[in-house]
Amino acid sequence: QAVLTQPSSLSASPGASASLTCTLRSGINVGTYRIHWYQQKPGSPPQYLLRYKSDSDKQLGSGVPSRFSGSKDASANAGILLISGLQSEDEADYYCTIWHSSAWVFGGGTKLTVL
Amino acid sequence: EVQLVESGGGLVQPGGSLRLSCAASGFTFSNYEMNWVRQAPGKGLEWVSYISSSGSTIYYADSVKGRFTISRDNAKNSLYLQMNSLRAEDTAVYYCARQIPDYWGQGTLVTVSS
Repeated sequence: QAVLTQPSSLSASPGASASLTCTLRSGINVGTYRIHWYQQKPGSPPQYLLRYKSDSDKQLGSGVPSRFSGSKDASANAGILLISGLQSEDEADYYCTIWHSSAWVFGGGTKLTVL
Repeated sequence: EVQLVESGGGLVQPGGSLRLSCAASGFTFSNYEMNWVRQAPGKGLEWVSYISSSGSTIYYADSVKGRFTISRDNAKNSLYLQMNSLRAEDTAVYYCARQIPDYWGQGTLVTVSS
């Protein structure tokens, strides 16, 4: 089982909100990790969006709109990237990552379609 | 402005070697940890290696351990990745990435094929 699991795809409408999940493998407690999120568009490197560990330990990346925010669902052992007021430019791949066992571990990515 | 510029990619035969470089500017390079992250065509991100700001601590992904060597020259604001015994599955865009990683270069393509 992968350390981080993301749904492969998600669709949402312009103006709506999208909730992207990053589920940690059983036995790895989401509460102990900072989860970092990236956006990647075709042909470009990943762009850093934000980190979230708790409401007192969170940070939005430089220049990232406040429409992007992070949270956690402890019951699901998952990190969440919430994008509100979806715009067509938000259509991209989104990746989560954590520092685990002396390595950066990435989720498989979620392709977000805005239609 | 933070800039990371990779170079050194190209086409190499299986079993061959390549050395990637990453030139950093816009920040105090010697204060930051650095990473190499790769992305195979049409696939997701895979972390390759980490080096601490001083170079004293290094980690590798299991998939490259024993074949790749990360290093840095803080006097030259440069990061390196020596890749030996290359395999077809090493084919990817290789990104130099700062710390978290928060800033990424544009990447350099490595193709391993006969």
